[in-house]
Formats: sequence, C-alpha cells, structure tokens
Amino acid sequence: GDSVTQMEGPVTLSEEAFLTINCTYTATGYPSLFWYVQYPGEGLQLLLKATKADDKGSNKGFEATYRKETTSFHLEKGSVQVSDSAVYFCALSKNNAGNMLTFGGGTRLMVKP
Amino acid sequence: SQTIHQWPATLVQPVGSPLSLECTVEGTSNPNLYWYRQAAGRGLQLLFYSVGIGQISSEVPQNLSASRPQDRQFILSSKKLLLSDSGFYLCALDRGADTQYFGPGTRLTVL
Repeated sequence: GDSVTQMEGPVTLSEEAFLTINCTYTATGYPSLFWYVQYPGEGLQLLLKATKADDKGSNKGFEATYRKETTSFHLEKGSVQVSDSAVYFCALSKNNAGNMLTFGGGTRLMVKP
Repeated sequence: SQTIHQWPATLVQPVGSPLSLECTVEGTSNPNLYWYRQAAGRGLQLLFYSVGIGQISSEVPQNLSASRPQDRQFILSSKKLLLSDSGFYLCALDRGADTQYFGPGTRLTVL
C-alpha cells in the first residue's frame, strides 16, 4: 500500500539555520504530495503542495520539489525562525474517490533563538 | 469561508466509557469529511471518511465508529473506550484540488 516516510525528530536548530526535513514515499501512479504543519496546540494547516513531477511547492519561505525519480519531497527553508517551531507532516493523496491523505509520522522542529 | 468546529476541545474519560466526538462544518455543502487520529508521538492515521449523509467508509478496524446524520455533521463514537484510544482526533474536509482543511482537534485522554 501507499506509505510516507519522514526523518525522525526532533530536529533542533538555531535561528537562521538552514532546514531540511526528508520525506520519501511509496505509491503507485502519480500522487499529489503535501507538507502540513501543526503548531503547538493547534490542528494541521496546509503548508505547501505539488501535484506532478518536478513541481515545486512554496510558502512562507519553505519549499519542496516533487522528485519522481527519487520518490522524494524534501522540505527546505533557508533561514528558520523561532516561530517555525512546529511538527511537520509529509503526506500524499492518490486523487481517488475521497481524496484520502496518507501521512508520514511527523517531524518536530525546535528552533532556538 | 469554510469553518470546522470540533467539540469538545479536550476530554478525559475512563476505560470502558462511551465516546461521542462531534464535528460540524460551515460554509460548504456536501463536503467529503474525514476523521484522523494522532496518537502520542506518532503520525496521523485516517480512521473514517464520508462522501455524504449516511455514507461511511472505515480505513482501520477498531472499536470506533462514525456516523453522518446530517450533511455538515460528522460524529465519531465508541461504546467502550480503550487506553489505546487516547490521542488527538482531527476532523477534516476536502477543499478541492486534493487539499484538506483541518479542524482544531479534540484531545482525548483515556485513563
């Protein structure tokens, strides 16, 4: 079945450091790929998405490129802020009836001033 | 704009007690609705989804059930809670273009 694998956290960085959170997936066909973010005490929010190979999703300084050849969708940000501290979830959707999301395990990011 | 309400926000229940979590949506009609669970230290697991009134699909067999009595209401229930049911329960709806919008969640602790 479909699955998403993320690097385990927590990831602890200093402010202004470069961030990479790895995400790889297993799926048949051509899934859409997503990054969701969960700030402390809140539900999930869509951060960015990409729907086909080589697409780059970007938002709030974060970006991720859909790499079909490596089945990856790594999240990057050039300079993190304390306010970026959250749990980040990589997910895929198969565009089937119901558009169900399959999530990775989540990666907690802690940014220290 | 679309809004999701979840009730209650937090809940502490003893093992073996019943459960009813409510999700209501505004600003849309005939949405696809989803229940996810996030167990402590783990990712999200899809529990149920519904494409319309009375239509429920279960993704994971367990002691939970779901119902959709109205177009904008999605209820998660259990007759007898287990310790393993503790977690953060999220209701979500389809926003189109493969995107889902999540509610604020209900934190359930089973003691």
